[in-house]
Amino acid sequence: DAKTTQPTSMDCAEGRAANLPCNHSTISGNEYVYWYRQIHSQGPQYIIHGLKNNETNEMASLIITEDRKSSTLILPHATLRDTAVYYCIVPGSSASKIIFGSGTRLSIRP
Amino acid sequence: DGGITQSPKYLFRKEGQNVTLSCEQNLNHDAMYWYRQDPGQGLRLIYYSQIVNDFQKGDIAEGYSVSREKKESFPLTVTSAQKNPTAFYLCASMTWLADTGELFFGEGSRLTVL
Repeated sequence: DAKTTQPTSMDCAEGRAANLPCNHSTISGNEYVYWYRQIHSQGPQYIIHGLKNNETNEMASLIITEDRKSSTLILPHATLRDTAVYYCIVPGSSASKIIFGSGTRLSIRP
Repeated sequence: DGGITQSPKYLFRKEGQNVTLSCEQNLNHDAMYWYRQDPGQGLRLIYYSQIVNDFQKGDIAEGYSVSREKKESFPLTVTSAQKNPTAFYLCASMTWLADTGELFFGEGSRLTVL
């Protein structure tokens, strides 16, 4: 599984777009990038995933660079409820060892 | 509704006692995972299983044991050999179909060793 690197923490003003970066320089051609978030003392929640095209759903957008070595999760209009730890993972092409890392702690300021 | 159930949600044990945390899923997923989370830290993989009667060690397997006798169940035993067992434990499951590799998590079990 490809290793991912994320900033330890970020903050964003309420109502603004939150852009969370992730580096996954060792990603293979058929491996997807997944994003999860964890609100305090709960299980992580799936947000979005993608292979090489940009993706959007009701929660967020995912921008993947052309070389696929990095991606950015975008929360278009951050609210206080978006305060959480965000994890970027690359599970690999089978249900193998899935490593989460430390994630990015996102704080939304009023 | 389909999902993953972990029990108990909170557990207190004395030092030196073995403890078993339950994880059951009715999603018909093949793969199941156990993670440990300490305060302010990320998730660390303890054990995982891709199929019934088979499991592999994760990054921090020492002091833990698992079994996978049924597809739906993946219990984790925290043994007395685990030096610092107080933590939040999360179970997850996944199936790999086409491009879908989404992990589904339980609510977690918080173990406190007194």
